[in-house]
Amino acid sequence: AQSVTQPDIHITVSEGASLELRCNYSYGATPYLFWYVQSPGQGLQLLLKYFSGDTLVQGIKGFEAEFKRSQSSFNLRKPSVHWSDAAEYFCAVGARNTGGFKTIFGAGTRLFVKA
Amino acid sequence: NAGVTQTPKFQVLKTGQSMTLQCAQDMNHEYMSWYRQDPGMGLRLIHYSVGAGITDQGEVPNGYNVSRSTTEDFPLRLLSAAPSQTSVYFCASSIALTSGRAGETQYFGPGTRLLVL
Repeated sequence: AQSVTQPDIHITVSEGASLELRCNYSYGATPYLFWYVQSPGQGLQLLLKYFSGDTLVQGIKGFEAEFKRSQSSFNLRKPSVHWSDAAEYFCAVGARNTGGFKTIFGAGTRLFVKA
Repeated sequence: NAGVTQTPKFQVLKTGQSMTLQCAQDMNHEYMSWYRQDPGMGLRLIHYSVGAGITDQGEVPNGYNVSRSTTEDFPLRLLSAAPSQTSVYFCASSIALTSGRAGETQYFGPGTRLLVL
């Protein structure tokens, strides 16, 4: 069965500093991987996704993620964090099952941004 | 374009009461799903539907019922609310799944915050 682990419950970075959020997955086949962001009181918004091809994926808001099969990881990065990036970030893996697919989410990492 | 809408935004129930959480999408998506979000647990899939008339269980289906009579609507019913169902509920939808494609982007509604006393 697939699973997603986000090792960091919360991370604090200074505005302008670089960011890396970790995500490890467990899945027997080629995974479909996602990063979503949730601002307070809001639903989830897709940042980026990986299905195949180039292992470095560019997303919205200046985010990127790199798929590393050997490490079963899909870490999210941003070179310079803005105060508006403070939110909760969810990594997810999508997998086929009978009649459709299921998306399994990690527990989330809350990002705090210091001025 | 409204996207995915959910009503109500907030609800307080007493143990044993029933209610229906509404979800509608106007994007002609065939795939719809319900998640619950609890602190430290991410989102867990309750039920999902791959099209009108077709539903299936997710990870945590107990205590919830769903039906899909139209493409647009996917209501979630709590028949007898329990305090353990206190949570934030999200509905999501995505385009039709075709063979070989397992990971379409999901579009989420704003959520319904439910408190069961």
